[in-house]
Amino acid sequence: GQQLNQSPQSMFIQEGEDVSMNCTSSSIFNTWLWYKQDPGEGPVLLIALYKAGELTSNGRLTAQFGITRKDSFLNISASIPSDVGIYFCAGQPMEYGNKLVFGAGTILRVKS
Amino acid sequence: GAVVSQHPSWVICKSGTSVKIECRSLDFQATTMFWYRQFPKQSLMLMATSNEGSKATYEQGVEKDKFLINHASLTLSTLTVTSAHPEDSSFYICSARGQSQNSYNEQFFGPGTRLTVL
Repeated sequence: GQQLNQSPQSMFIQEGEDVSMNCTSSSIFNTWLWYKQDPGEGPVLLIALYKAGELTSNGRLTAQFGITRKDSFLNISASIPSDVGIYFCAGQPMEYGNKLVFGAGTILRVKS
Repeated sequence: GAVVSQHPSWVICKSGTSVKIECRSLDFQATTMFWYRQFPKQSLMLMATSNEGSKATYEQGVEKDKFLINHASLTLSTLTVTSAHPEDSSFYICSARGQSQNSYNEQFFGPGTRLTVL
């Protein structure tokens, strides 16, 4: 089946630092989505990307849809304690219809 | 907009009983909803795609007689875990697909339901 490789698996950073995580796939995706999940809750959509090369920002978050359509990254600038959580990338492969494939997640911890 | 609710948020039941979980889209109509399960410290695993007015499509390895899905209206899908056993204990999350042209490929998630089977 489809797999997304998401890295890093976890990060422990100092408050104020910038964060970068990425996802890669072996096949072409139509859509890339980035979600954040807090413990015991459902994922919340952060950014949606639809076009190759697209760069989109949402506050301190910036994400890009790779030119090859096989990768995406998410950057968080000037991290704050409430950024703590698990970040998931999700993609929609061309042959999957409207289903999403999820990465394994990046656990972010912030030292204040 | 795009708010999805789930009920209950948590449930504890005895082995052998059935449990129903509801997923509602509160401010939009969802012709397609998805059911996921998530084990601790793991990613989301798609169980099935729920289509309003038709049978659900189950992912490989998911027993359709074990996990009954009903999508009777454009705002409600239900997942019933039948004859639950301890190995069914998990975090069950539903999502609904966006309806607008801009959000068609986006999925909005409910808050999840923690099922514990004793």
